[in-house]
Order: sequence, then C-alpha cells, then structure tokens
Amino acid sequence: DAGITQSPRHKVTETGTPVTLRCHQTENHRYMYWYRQDPGHGLRLIHYSYGVKDTDKGEVSDGYSVSRSKTEDFLLTLESATSSQTSVYFCAISGRANTIYFGEGSWLTVV
Amino acid sequence: GESVGLHLPTLSVQEGDNSIINCAYSNSASDYFIWYKQESGKGPQFIIDIRSNMDKRQGQRVTVLLNKTVKHLSLQIAATQPGDSAVYFCAESPYTGTASKLTFGTGTRLQVTL
Repeated sequence: DAGITQSPRHKVTETGTPVTLRCHQTENHRYMYWYRQDPGHGLRLIHYSYGVKDTDKGEVSDGYSVSRSKTEDFLLTLESATSSQTSVYFCAISGRANTIYFGEGSWLTVV
Repeated sequence: GESVGLHLPTLSVQEGDNSIINCAYSNSASDYFIWYKQESGKGPQFIIDIRSNMDKRQGQRVTVLLNKTVKHLSLQIAATQPGDSAVYFCAESPYTGTASKLTFGTGTRLQVTL
C-alpha cells in the first residue's frame, strides 16, 4: 500500500458540469501525478506536480487543470466535463525518481 | 470497477508453470524500465525495475530481462500462481529524475489455469 487515497472512487456526472478528483498521500513525496487509463491506450499523463504550487502539463492536459496547495493533496479538475473524459483516473506519487506508485483509481462516467 | 483494456493479448498458463511476458519498446534512448501488475478494479502495482546498464535483474519469483539490441523487455514469473492473474505492462523512460517521461505499454493479460 503506497499511502495514496483517491476520492471519489466512482462518480457519474452530466456533460458540462465541473468535477474535481482528489488525491491524498501520506508519504510526503515531492512528485504527484494524474493519469488516465482507457482501453487500447497505455496510461497517459495528464498533469504532474513537483512541489507545492509547482505543476506542469502532461501528454493529455487539454480540458483539465490541477492544483497543489499542500504537499499531501493534488486535485484534478475537469472544468466542464465531456463524454470523452469518461475514463479511469489514477493518481501516482514518487519519491525516488522515475519509480511511481499508483492509487486505486477513480472511475468517472460523463453522461 | 470494470476492467480496462478488454481486448488485450492474453497469455494462458497452467498453475505451477513459468510465465514469460514480453514487451517491445521503441525509444532507443530509454534508460529505465519498469514492470507493473494490475488486477481488475485496482491500480497498477510496481513489480520490478531495471536500468539500461543491466541485462537481468531478479526479484521474488520474478526476473526481468533486457535486450537493448532488439529493444525487448521480458518478465518471467516462476511457478505461476492463481494470484498472478492480472494485466502486466511495461513502462520505459529516459532517466530524467522524474517519472513525467514514463511511457506505458497497453499490457498483456495473464490467465492462470488450475
């Protein structure tokens, strides 16, 4: 258990509504990441953070924003959810460079 | 939660046999490789990693082999058990000091038959 908690674990929302997913870690790791996982694709990086208030875009960042006001929390926000954002979202953390540890996932359905 | 990747290649092995799962990578600059295991409805779980200056690394019941000449990575699981049933995927990265450059494969489903 990597000390990562994601919430909510499951959510159904309507197109056009804002959604925020939360990732909480108890490991005090510097790096935190948000990925999405879809059939036929490997895990794809959305955004990541390398410290409090320090974030950067990943491969599929359009339509997503993030915030990190505390070391332990990393929030992913869909400002206006679309059906293409229906996915499984994983938070990950790393203390040692390159090796990342994943949370249990958040299943999001946009209808 | 439902499974992700419903049309993955599948490897079926009998309990007690050894399993070999393969991964081809494309970036010759990749310097670091990881294997993950993902059970249905759960997050990926770190299994083992290897740097490009090595060609073999062993863990508990698992061995990773790296062939840089043909850009091929394999995961060997000894004495496969029912609990090994899962999707396995590899990840590669240039060793940049951050995991932001990790690229993940789509995975192979391992089915262990009794």
